[in-house]
Amino acid sequence: QVTLRESGPALVKPTHTLTLTCTFSGFSLSTGGVCMTWIRQPPGKALEWLALIDWDDDKYYSTSLKTRLTISKDTSKSQVVLTMTSMDPVDTATYYCARILRDDSIDNYFNYWGQGTLVTVSS
Amino acid sequence: EIVLTQSPATLSLSPGERATLSCRASQSVSNYLAWYQQKPGQPPRLLIYDASNRASGIPARFSGSGSGTDFTLTINSLDPEDFAIYYCLQRSDWPRYTFGQGTKLEIK
Repeated sequence: QVTLRESGPALVKPTHTLTLTCTFSGFSLSTGGVCMTWIRQPPGKALEWLALIDWDDDKYYSTSLKTRLTISKDTSKSQVVLTMTSMDPVDTATYYCARILRDDSIDNYFNYWGQGTLVTVSS
Repeated sequence: EIVLTQSPATLSLSPGERATLSCRASQSVSNYLAWYQQKPGQPPRLLIYDASNRASGIPARFSGSGSGTDFTLTINSLDPEDFAIYYCLQRSDWPRYTFGQGTKLEIK
């Protein structure tokens, strides 16, 4: 059974750095084809893909946010971490992690999601 | 970046009616398009993948069609539980996925 759970601070001050952790079970990020992603959704707004890390430790970022994002993995802990620097109130959003399986038709899409964690940026 | 434009922004219908939602891509995405349903406080739920394939457990009243740049999600005989926000997603430009801005399906 695949499960994912995001954790991190609910409140972050402007200019500070956000660190979010996704803890997952039911699969391994060391298995070929497995990728983990982060997606966010500001309140009442659309979804936005942020970053992806694959089983081979290749990393990809949203073009508009790549200077602020870092994604990493700890395979032994079944965790993926996203850091976002220079937080601003416009970064207030629910942040989700999701799994992708390359070379698998349906799971090339975000078929498994965490419940999300709401991060508010405010002083 | 591939931009997905959904229309209409809001669709007001009654239970039992048919809903037709559109998603247009700024360039061809072949059939690498999915549809999601999202209800308040929940993550999106995958309905349709590769433009026309229903995900496991999705009722047959949901269907997807299209290829290239124009896609449609059709919901036949709306059930009260279908009123939600719907998003399209492309994976053609992997790994730079992009979502549409959403269509809110509301009860008339």
